Amino acid sequence: AQSVAQPEDQVNVAEGNPLTVKCTYSVSGNPYLFWYVQYPNRGLQFLLKYITGDNLVKGSYGFEAVFNKSQTSFHLKKPSALVSDSALYFCAVSSTSGAGSYQLTFGKGTKLSVIP
Amino acid sequence: GAGVSQTPSNKVTEKGKYVELRCDPISGHTALYWYRQSLGQGPEFLIYFQGTGAADDSGLPNDRFFAVRPEGSVSTLKIQRTERGDSAVYLCASSPRPGGETQYFGPGTRLLVL
Repeated sequence: AQSVAQPEDQVNVAEGNPLTVKCTYSVSGNPYLFWYVQYPNRGLQFLLKYITGDNLVKGSYGFEAVFNKSQTSFHLKKPSALVSDSALYFCAVSSTSGAGSYQLTFGKGTKLSVIP
Repeated sequence: GAGVSQTPSNKVTEKGKYVELRCDPISGHTALYWYRQSLGQGPEFLIYFQGTGAADDSGLPNDRFFAVRPEGSVSTLKIQRTERGDSAVYLCASSPRPGGETQYFGPGTRLLVL
């Protein structure tokens, strides 16, 4: 079975400061890792993904994530937070093993609040 | 281009009634997924279609839930004898193919069972 943990329900950061949203995962086989963002009453919006290759992944809106295989982590980062980044962030994993549906397993989400 | 669309955006029904939720994926995407998101939780997988066939329905909670995709494009999630516990946001996602491809999500259908 695959699982994702987002240890922080909420992260508060001042505008202009760097932000980190944490994610750890557990899968059999090689992981495919994703970050999505959800604004109120909106669907999930794709930010970035790791499939293979460089451990530093760059995505939309200045976000990036670092894949660490030994720590089974995939933390989301941004060098300088904006108030408009305030939203709910979900980490998700699928893998190359299993029935082959590549279904996503999501964490519970982390609410990011950027304070002006 | 057009994204994934879902109708209706909101559905209120009474306990015991039957509901249908529709998903129109991105054109050309062969993989289609249904997820359910309860309040304060991340989405949970329900069923996956590759083309017309349900390749993995291991996430369906019980036999009241059923989904079809007869022509390999639009999909309908059907819930019989609805219960209050079925209240949630039902999300549909599509991807060009399975296997690490990005899943693009629709805005969801918010189902409320009274």
